[in-house]
Amino acid sequence: EVQLVESGGGLVKPGGSLRLACAASGFTFSSYTMNWVRQAPGKGLEWVSSIGAGGTFIYYADSVKGRFTISRDNAQNSLYLQMNSLRAEDTALYYCARDHFHTVTTGFYNYWGHGALVTVSS
Amino acid sequence: EIVLTQSPGTLSLSPGERATLSCRASQSVTGSYLAWYQQKPGQAPRLLIYGASTRATDIPDRFTGSGSGADFTLTISRLEPEDFAVYYCQQYGNSPQTFGQGTRVEIK
Repeated sequence: EVQLVESGGGLVKPGGSLRLACAASGFTFSSYTMNWVRQAPGKGLEWVSSIGAGGTFIYYADSVKGRFTISRDNAQNSLYLQMNSLRAEDTALYYCARDHFHTVTTGFYNYWGHGALVTVSS
Repeated sequence: EIVLTQSPGTLSLSPGERATLSCRASQSVTGSYLAWYQQKPGQAPRLLIYGASTRATDIPDRFTGSGSGADFTLTISRLEPEDFAVYYCQQYGNSPQTFGQGTRVEIK
């Protein structure tokens, strides 16, 4: 059974940092592009970042470029999101999501975690 | 960036009725690379449709996706009680990928 479990969320002050992690199991993690998608309270979905299976290809939304860093450890079946210079508008539930097909980046997601809540407030 | 506009914002229907949800893009979506997701309160999104019309694994055939270019539709032929939720479209053919703002399907 595919499982994605996020951790590392919490309350942080504006300008602060936080590192999210996503533990993956039930599939060959190293074969899939992985992604972060966020959802502000009561709002819609926003793609944040993607990383290719080998970690070579990395993409960011303009809203987080230069502040967030996505990475992965295929030996540990883990995905990460380092978030720096956090702003109030970064407050959201952050989902880890797996691309649908292995070995090729598709851009749509058939497995999602339950999310990690990040609250940026003074 | 492609902006996706979903309509209506809220759809009030009864179980057994047909639901028609629209997703209009600000420009043509490359390759009709459009997906639909369902989200229930407190849950992660669930993939329903990709490639505009291909049902994801284990998705009932009452869900049908159609459309091309800049106009796409999700049709639920007969609403079941478990179908009342928020639905999002997503285009992944043009970078950056973007989501619509969602359509809520509520019980009338």
